[in-house]
Amino acid sequence: DAGVTQSPTHLIKTRGQQVTLRCSPKSGHDTVSWYQQALGQGPQFIFQYYEEEERQRGNFPDRFSGHQFPNYSSELNVNALLLGDSALYLCASSSGSEQYFGPGTRLTVT
Amino acid sequence: GIQVEQSPPDLILQEGANSTLRCNFSDSVNNLQWFHQNPWGQLINLFYIPSGTKQNGRLSATTVATERYSLLYISSSQTTDSGVYFCAVETSGSRLTFGEGTQLTVNP
Repeated sequence: DAGVTQSPTHLIKTRGQQVTLRCSPKSGHDTVSWYQQALGQGPQFIFQYYEEEERQRGNFPDRFSGHQFPNYSSELNVNALLLGDSALYLCASSSGSEQYFGPGTRLTVT
Repeated sequence: GIQVEQSPPDLILQEGANSTLRCNFSDSVNNLQWFHQNPWGQLINLFYIPSGTKQNGRLSATTVATERYSLLYISSSQTTDSGVYFCAVETSGSRLTFGEGTQLTVNP
């Protein structure tokens, strides 16, 4: 049983560019959440998708957007990248309450 | 929003020692999870424990929801236990709010 997968593993972008990160949930899970983890801090909730709709959103600007597909996989898009967007981006999936995390995508903005 | 505080922030142990990590939260929660983050960033589920006590090998956890805290016990620590331990609570709508973590170093 495959766990949560994310791609790419690492990514380097330039300020002002746009980036798309991908996540495939654990088999049987229908809810996907995205988190941003800056160095030395705990993960911060970005948003959550369920039934292809954004169900909840954390305190992140509109530059952060997402999508969920009919197969429950999800994308996180970040526009107009800033240096401060450099972080580990984690995807979590669930079918109830317990959330399971993927390995993350490490984004570096130069 | 809800506040989650973990203590201690850093902990250094000799192999074989026992330890207790604490998580305090400021409001009622629906659920609570403990994670271990390995050096590559992967968050590994340790316990899903909204209340009560659970044990898994050398690790155990207790959540006292009425007093708004949870404890993670590590017995006979090993070098592979090193890493960051996070407590995360779920409030309305199943979003997780994380503490700042406890950095554990186990020396041989």
